[in-house]
Amino acid sequence: GAGVSQSPRYKVAKRGQDVALRCDPISGHVSLFWYQQALGQGPEFLTYFQNEAQLDKSGLPSDRFFAERPEGSVSTLKIQRTQQEDSAVYLCASSFLRASGGSYNEQFFGPGTRLTVL
Amino acid sequence: QQQVKQSPQSLIVQKGGISIINCAYENTAFDYFPWYQQFPGKGPALLIAIRPDVSEKKEGRFTISFNKSAKQFSLHIMDSQPGDSATYFCAANMDSNYQLIWGAGTKLIIKP
Repeated sequence: GAGVSQSPRYKVAKRGQDVALRCDPISGHVSLFWYQQALGQGPEFLTYFQNEAQLDKSGLPSDRFFAERPEGSVSTLKIQRTQQEDSAVYLCASSFLRASGGSYNEQFFGPGTRLTVL
Repeated sequence: QQQVKQSPQSLIVQKGGISIINCAYENTAFDYFPWYQQFPGKGPALLIAIRPDVSEKKEGRFTISFNKSAKQFSLHIMDSQPGDSATYFCAANMDSNYQLIWGAGTKLIIKP
């Protein structure tokens, strides 16, 4: 019973480099979420997929951030021209049902990718 | 209106004691209030959750108390154990909106 996996676990990038972060959700989970967690803070919503459709990207902080889930399973969060303020842990979560809020929408989180931009 | 305020920021409790973490919210449309537990290097994991139609929910040593009129809810950990040492997050959302709004977290340390 594999949970949500993310790779790489740690990423160090020089300012200006592009990075790609991968999320493997639990098999069969319809919904996939990306969150950004700054040090000592709670996660902040970035974007949401239902299968392959990106239904909400309102939390993406700039047009340098791009996410995709082309086949409705694995997702990639790409950050172009990284800046120091992008340093954070990026969490991926998946849930079985279509996102509708409430107690039937438990989100299962991966361990995160810690991105450090120098 | 969208914020969830969590306190304290950190908490040290003796083994066997009661740990209490508090959260307050403004948006009266919130109707789902989960607590997540996060260990270092791991993602958050759902611990316990409550809807505002009940004032208390208990699961083992973990209890959520909910005060709708005060717009506050709290997590109580009874007989706290060293293995409970972790960061705890409260969160909230509306049934029509899947986005979870998170508190800032409480780092709990249980001293043996």
